[in-house]
Amino acid sequence: QKEVEQNSGPLSVPEGAIASLNCTYSDRGSQSFFWYRQYSGKSPELIMFIYSNGDKEDGRFTAQLNKASQYVSLLIRDSQPSDSATYLCAVKGANSKLTFGKGITLSVRP
Amino acid sequence: GAVVSQHPSWVICKSGTSVKIECRSLDFQATTMFWYRQFPKQSLMLMATSNEGSKATYEQGVEKDKFLINHASLTLSTLTVTSAHPEDSSFYICSETRFQETQYFGPGTRLLVL
Repeated sequence: QKEVEQNSGPLSVPEGAIASLNCTYSDRGSQSFFWYRQYSGKSPELIMFIYSNGDKEDGRFTAQLNKASQYVSLLIRDSQPSDSATYLCAVKGANSKLTFGKGITLSVRP
Repeated sequence: GAVVSQHPSWVICKSGTSVKIECRSLDFQATTMFWYRQFPKQSLMLMATSNEGSKATYEQGVEKDKFLINHASLTLSTLTVTSAHPEDSSFYICSETRFQETQYFGPGTRLLVL
């Protein structure tokens, strides 16, 4: 069974710090990887996607992918209270379906 | 801006009634849409893949006769929860795929069955 694992959390960081969110996946055939942010009571919104090994940066967000280790992470620099939310890691397999992790709740302390 | 809309955003119904949820793709012809369900403090679980002009594909454990999906046009997919019961109370979210197969989610529909 294809699994996506995220740190159980919750994660609390002070404002301005770097938040590091990690995710591992079991299916070596996975093709693409996504990070979604979900505020309480809302649906997920896409933050970043990554397909290739290495880093991908978008503003304060950096996604990192290591297919050999089956590991994907999201770094949030200069964390803001507005970043407080649940972050979902999602992995797309060969069947084009997304498998989600359980999510990790991030709290940024002012 | 939003790429997918859902209606209604929330619904309360009595046990035994049927509820229809609409998912609309904005400015895009979505041949494939996905329906997810999310229970409190849990992650999204894929229920089914909605295919325009053909039958939906359901995930294991999802009753196709209970969760009826219709994708009659390229911009509209509907999910009907038939004979709803309290255990069907959940957050139902649809998504569509565009731009390098990235899924974009609708705002969701919160269903409460009394």
